[in-house]
Amino acid sequence: AQKVTQAQTEISVVEKEDVTLDCVYETRDTTYYLFWYKQPPSGELVFLIRRNSFDEQNEISGRYSWNFQKSTSSFNFTITASQVVDSAVYFCALSEMITGGGNKLTFGTGTQLKVEL
Amino acid sequence: NAGVTQTPKFQVLKTGQSMTLQCAQDMNHEYMSWYRQDPGMGLRLIHYSVGAGITDQGEVPNGYNVSRSTTEDFPLRLLSAAPSQTSVYFCASSQGRNEAFFGQGTRLTVV
Repeated sequence: AQKVTQAQTEISVVEKEDVTLDCVYETRDTTYYLFWYKQPPSGELVFLIRRNSFDEQNEISGRYSWNFQKSTSSFNFTITASQVVDSAVYFCALSEMITGGGNKLTFGTGTQLKVEL
Repeated sequence: NAGVTQTPKFQVLKTGQSMTLQCAQDMNHEYMSWYRQDPGMGLRLIHYSVGAGITDQGEVPNGYNVSRSTTEDFPLRLLSAAPSQTSVYFCASSQGRNEAFFGQGTRLTVV
């Protein structure tokens, strides 16, 4: 069975600090995809990144970066110079390939990030 | 494009009542799914569909029914609401292995 663990329930930082959100996954699939979603206080789910299991290159997008390490089954997310607007719940998710296509997602329990002034 | 549209946004039900949560997408995605979000538990898959006429159960299907008569629509039916079904419900759609697009969510309270 697929499993995603986000051990950090809540993290509080002061603005401009760097913060890393951890994600560890379990799967028997050789081909899979990992995702990060952001859920701001308004409640919607915002897609941040998709990474496939064959691409272990780190990804950087502005202040966001992602470190995918297949050897440790981890897909960690770092926010550099955090801002108050980064305050949200962040979810890591793992996709399972199903007959007929589509992403059957298994989500972690989420990490609540609070960025204070 | 509207993306994924869920209605209603809020609903209060009495125990034993039935209702249907509506979900529609205009992106011609084959895959649609329903999740529920509860505090400390992330999002859990209720039911999903890989195309019109095809549905399957997810992790927490009990108490819910779905059908998929068109590509666009994927309603979720609560047959006899229970307090344990108090939750926030999200509908999502995707194509292939691409990212899922989520609706705005429905906050359901069963009293």
